[in-house]
Amino acid sequence: AQSVTQPDIHITVSEGASLELRCNYSYGATPYLFWYVQSPGQGLQLLLKYFSGDTLVQGIKGFEAEFKRSQSSFNLRKPSVHWSDAAEYFCLLSGNTGKLIFGQGTTLQVKP
Amino acid sequence: GAGVSQSPRYKVAKRGQDVALRCDPISGHVSLFWYQQALGQGPEFLTYFQNEAQLDKSGLPSDRFFAERPEGSVSTLKIQRTQQEDSAVYLCASNWREGLNEQYFGPGTRLTVT
Repeated sequence: AQSVTQPDIHITVSEGASLELRCNYSYGATPYLFWYVQSPGQGLQLLLKYFSGDTLVQGIKGFEAEFKRSQSSFNLRKPSVHWSDAAEYFCLLSGNTGKLIFGQGTTLQVKP
Repeated sequence: GAGVSQSPRYKVAKRGQDVALRCDPISGHVSLFWYQQALGQGPEFLTYFQNEAQLDKSGLPSDRFFAERPEGSVSTLKIQRTQQEDSAVYLCASNWREGLNEQYFGPGTRLTVT
């Protein structure tokens, strides 16, 4: 079965600290993976995507993610968090038709 | 417009009422998706259109839910005889070709059934 798991429902980090949001997936073939961010009152915005090739993917706003097939993971990282990064983050898997399968989401809180 | 738009942004319905939610995708986008996001949850797939054809409706929770895209652009999600469990944010997304690619999401319609 196709699924995405985000083990951390809520994470709090201090501004300027590094961030890693975990994502594990289950899929029978090579996955197409995405990270989206959802800010209050805003639509979902694409941060980055992995289709193939280089397993370290760079995205917008200084985010990056690393695809690790052996661990079925696609963790999102940022070296230094800004207060404006506070939002909900979703890891997604794309099925064959393009239908997206979402993780449960991780809410990021940033302390000043 | 530049992005996906949805209307209304907020809808309050009394239990048993019918509602219609509209999605205007980005012009020229072939694929259109509807998702339902319950409070505190990730969005879940409802249905998918490629142009005017509804290719996948496996996520529609009951026969009270109906979606259409008659001219291959604007789409309407209709919920008949609304129930409290239908309260959620309904998200629409589109992309420019069928199949795999990132999707562009609208702001959603928050439906509250009282």
